[in-house]
Amino acid sequence: NAGVTQTPKFRVLKTGQSMTLLCAQDMNHEYMYWYRQDPGMGLRLIHYSVGEGTTAKGEVPDGYNVSRLKKQNFLLGLESAAPSQTSVYFCASSRQGNGYTFGSGTRLTVV
Amino acid sequence: EDQVTQSPEALRLQEGESSSLNCSYTVSGLRGLFWYRQDPGKGPEFLFTLYSAGEEKEKERLKATLTKKESFLHITAPKPEDSATYLCAVQAPSGNTPLVFGKGTRLSVIA
Repeated sequence: NAGVTQTPKFRVLKTGQSMTLLCAQDMNHEYMYWYRQDPGMGLRLIHYSVGEGTTAKGEVPDGYNVSRLKKQNFLLGLESAAPSQTSVYFCASSRQGNGYTFGSGTRLTVV
Repeated sequence: EDQVTQSPEALRLQEGESSSLNCSYTVSGLRGLFWYRQDPGKGPEFLFTLYSAGEEKEKERLKATLTKKESFLHITAPKPEDSATYLCAVQAPSGNTPLVFGKGTRLSVIA
């Protein structure tokens, strides 16, 4: 089993560019999450999904959009990247009440 | 608002020197408390889930305990390979509430 796979692993964007981060899980988990991790700030929830076709806002949703068209995939979009979105992005999935399985992260730099 | 505080921020131990990491929380009605290990450049890896005060779980040199307001991660006779950042997260009891993470404790074990 691959678990949770994130693509790409690294990306450099110019301010104002757009991009999509892809998260795929092969564990048939209902729940999926996008977090960002910044030095001194810990993991902060951006958006999450409790099932196919559903999404909800987390703690820091501004500047991001998400979609969950298929149960196994959760996409995170940046429509107009800003330097403040430079971060490491982690996707995770879980069954209800269980611990999360995380991907290996996407390191994004916005210049 | 739910809050998770981990202490200390960083801890440096000699190999074999036992110690404890602390995670205090203010969530009303805890559904679960989770411990993760994160190595540099990688996603967090699930260690334990604790559900009720008095519960304990062990894995190799690690033991997690839970009280009504805090959890401890005890590390017995640590080795250099235990060096990592340890994250604590809590889940409130209502429905599908995502985990709220602390900022972590960065542990260094010196040979």
